[in-house]
Amino acid sequence: KNEVEQSPQNLTAQEGEFITINCSYSVGISALHWLQQHPGGGIVSLFMLSSGKKKHGRLIATINIQEKHSSLHITASHPRDSAVYICAAPSDGSQGNLIFGKGTKLSVKP
Amino acid sequence: NAGVTQTPKFQVLKTGQSMTLQCAQDMNHNSMYWYRQDPGMGLRLIYYSASEGTTDKGEVPNGYNVSRLNKREFSLRLESAAPSQTSVYFCASILNLDSLSYEQYFGPGTRLTVT
Repeated sequence: KNEVEQSPQNLTAQEGEFITINCSYSVGISALHWLQQHPGGGIVSLFMLSSGKKKHGRLIATINIQEKHSSLHITASHPRDSAVYICAAPSDGSQGNLIFGKGTKLSVKP
Repeated sequence: NAGVTQTPKFQVLKTGQSMTLQCAQDMNHNSMYWYRQDPGMGLRLIYYSASEGTTDKGEVPNGYNVSRLNKREFSLRLESAAPSQTSVYFCASILNLDSLSYEQYFGPGTRLTVT
């Protein structure tokens, strides 16, 4: 069974700062997910990536399959980026049978 | 599209009571999932349904049953609620983008308290 670790658990930043959240997993995988949980509780899928890098707006996700490590970067952070960011990796080969990290709570101050 | 909907949003039960959490998606997705989220822990998979007519246990299935009523609906039943089942429950479905990638869509969650 895969184990997923995230760091840091909590992160406070000033508006405009560059943010990095890290995720490591124990078992080789085909792809990794990044999700965002809003303060109100809603969860949104941000990225699924299997290699290299993906970019969506100010969010960039990278993955190194050999090192079993992924990072989520936020450029020019804004208070509206305040949320919990969660990474998840497949438990087994089943699509959607994911093991989730405990999340990184990001707070961006104006 | 309403996406993934869940009912109820909040529920308080007494120990031993039963209830069914409802989930529906209008996106024609094949796969649906039930997760629970507890403070200090990541989301954990309770049950999933890869397609209509099939269900499989996830990481924490004890105390729960599920029904995949049709392609749209996937319900989660607590037959005899226990305080340890106090949690926030999320339903999700998957959109296959291609043979290798997919997106998960989550419902808004049901906050359940068992006293």
